[in-house]
Amino acid sequence: DAKTTQPNSMESNEEEPVHLPCNHSTISGTDYIHWYRQLPSQGPEYVIHGLTSNVNNRMASLAIAEDRKSSTLILHRATLRDAAVYYCILRDAGESGGGADGLTFGKGTHLIIQP
Amino acid sequence: GAVVSQHPSWVICKSGTSVKIECRSLDFQATTMFWYRQFPKQSLMLMATSNEGSKATYEQGVEKDKFLINHASLTLSTLTVTSAHPEDSSFYICSARPGQGATYEQYFGPGTRLTVT
Repeated sequence: DAKTTQPNSMESNEEEPVHLPCNHSTISGTDYIHWYRQLPSQGPEYVIHGLTSNVNNRMASLAIAEDRKSSTLILHRATLRDAAVYYCILRDAGESGGGADGLTFGKGTHLIIQP
Repeated sequence: GAVVSQHPSWVICKSGTSVKIECRSLDFQATTMFWYRQFPKQSLMLMATSNEGSKATYEQGVEKDKFLINHASLTLSTLTVTSAHPEDSSFYICSARPGQGATYEQYFGPGTRLTVT
C-alpha cells in the first residue's frame, strides 16, 4: 500500500471544526482513502472512506484534492469524545478487486480537544 | 454499524502458560478476520490474516507456532498465545470485514489486554 504522511498531533477547541490533513503523493488510481480513529484503550473505529469525490457521513466529511495527492478529514463540530488518534490509510482495490490484506497503520495524528 | 466482539477484554497469565482470545462478528459473516498487536504508545501492527476453512497467513516475523489461529466458523476466530512470556504482553485486537475488496470498511473488536507475569 502507498504511504501516507500525517502530522503527529493537532489541538482544537471543543465545538469548533477540525481539519485533519493527510498527504499521499504516491497514491495510485485504484487506491481508496480510508480514515479510522482509535480512542484510548479501544480498538480502532471506521470513520469514512472515498476514492475521488468528497464524501459525507454522520461522523465526518472527507475532502479529496483534485489530484488525489492529499485529503482532509473534517470534523464539523469537535467534542471531547473526538479526542483520539486518527489514521489515514490507503487501500488498493487493484484489478482483482483485492484489498484482501489487513490494514497498515502509520503513526496517525493525535487529536487533542480542549474544553 | 457492524459489531465485532472480543473475549476476554483483559487477561493476566503466568509465564509459560497459554491464553486463548476469541473474536466474533456478531451481525455479519466474515470469511476473513485479522489479528493485530499494539504495544504501548505504538501503532497497530498486523500479525496475521485468519481465513475460514484454511490456514492463517502470518506476517513476517510473527511465529506461527506461538500464535495459533483457528477460524472455526464464519463468525469466530481464535488466537492462542502459547507458552506466553512477558514480552508477549500487549493489546491484541481483531477485525473483520463484511465483504471482500478495498471499498469495505473493517470493523474492530474492543481489544484484549494481555499481561504475562
